[in-house]
Amino acid sequence: GAGVSQTPSNKVTEKGKYVELRCDPISGHTALYWYRQSLGQGPEFLIYFQGTGAADDSGLPNDRFFAVRPEGSVSTLKIQRTERGDSAVYLCASSLTSLLGDTQYFGPGTRLTVL
Amino acid sequence: AQKVTQAQTEISVVEKEDVTLDCVYETRDTTYYLFWYKQPPSGELVFLIRRNSFDEQNEISGRYSWNFQKSTSSFNFTITASQVVDSAVYFCALSEAWGVTGGGNKLTFGTGTQLKVEL
Repeated sequence: GAGVSQTPSNKVTEKGKYVELRCDPISGHTALYWYRQSLGQGPEFLIYFQGTGAADDSGLPNDRFFAVRPEGSVSTLKIQRTERGDSAVYLCASSLTSLLGDTQYFGPGTRLTVL
Repeated sequence: AQKVTQAQTEISVVEKEDVTLDCVYETRDTTYYLFWYKQPPSGELVFLIRRNSFDEQNEISGRYSWNFQKSTSSFNFTITASQVVDSAVYFCALSEAWGVTGGGNKLTFGTGTQLKVEL
């Protein structure tokens, strides 16, 4: 079956602009996670959804970052007033449930570059 | 303190050599899960294995094997007879309940080990 998909694969924007990154999880997976990976680092947790609700957004760096999952499937990560420090690969993952230890499957990521 | 430490930043081996990637973790939980993921140059994280804290049996899958030792908080990964296709960054990750809000299953990753296998 289809894996996690993310669009766009690459996004170049100018400082101060608004961007949206989209994630389409594996069909039937109720939990969806966003991570951010900077160069040479491991992915860092941003936010997780169980169904439509954001159950844990403790990893969002500040209020410029926001994410939604209105119908419990596709999710959009939104970044306002982008800064150069936001440049990174944004990874989305999904798992069948949100139970501890359930395996997360990752998408290919969106590489965001803020000029 | 790092929750997941992968002290080896980069390892280079010649094809057919065996190589072990180290992972040391830190948690207050008695129930937790450990994972290994592979990130090839294409960038997508590929799931390799999951292990829960109550299962200390070593596991072998083809050329891959994992050694989980709670006494030393380590979950090491060995590739036997390495191949060029094994070249990638390998990440160890921890899933724990301690201090996690909203339930869930967020992963804490190490900084990864870059493995280069040369002919």
